Amino acid sequence: QKEVEQDPGPLSVPEGAIVSLNCTYSNSAFQYFMWYRQYSRKGPELLMYTYSSGNKEDGRFTAQVDKSSKYISLFIRDSQPSDSATYLCAMTQGGSYIPTFGRGTSLIVHP
Amino acid sequence: DVKVTQSSRYLVKRTGEKVFLECVQDMDHENMFWYRQDPGLGLRLIYFSYDVKMKEKGDIPEGYSVSREKKERFSLILESASTNQTSMYLCASKPSGQGRTDTQYFGPGTRLTVL
Repeated sequence: QKEVEQDPGPLSVPEGAIVSLNCTYSNSAFQYFMWYRQYSRKGPELLMYTYSSGNKEDGRFTAQVDKSSKYISLFIRDSQPSDSATYLCAMTQGGSYIPTFGRGTSLIVHP
Repeated sequence: DVKVTQSSRYLVKRTGEKVFLECVQDMDHENMFWYRQDPGLGLRLIYFSYDVKMKEKGDIPEGYSVSREKKERFSLILESASTNQTSMYLCASKPSGQGRTDTQYFGPGTRLTVL
């Protein structure tokens, strides 16, 4: 079992839908949780960052961490075709600078 | 804005050639990383470096070596390229410390094809 599990998709939704992307993990020592967005043929770019449990909102994006369930989510409201990309979750333990990445979920938002 | 640049976007090499992939970051980050990314396998760490002249093996170092002679530059070397090294190679950098600085910044990637 990988330390971080992420459904590869693809997830196809109509424009305007609410999108939910998820990762589960097994290492309870993870404390820092990140979401990266990667467009086709580009490098990943940091989208959201949270520390420990709770929610964080940034515009149309909300990151949620539930450490008790070892489950993190990224919600995208009013999804746009420009949101079509691969979304990777990543997490690190305190004191470690090596993140563990999920394999990424491919999202397609069609007009 | 942090900028991480990679020497080539696309590269085609022949089996047995020695290949150099270069990465430069402009934000004085201590830590630099080389990953490869393959469909269905995600990002896999090849090597990383936490300081000049220091290097550590990642999950898949076989067939690769690295060099970090200057803080801003981290090179990945394929000593004798093989077809199974055809992949997207991503460089990343990260400052030391925790909290908001605990994130990596990626370059645009080099798509390497070995024939």
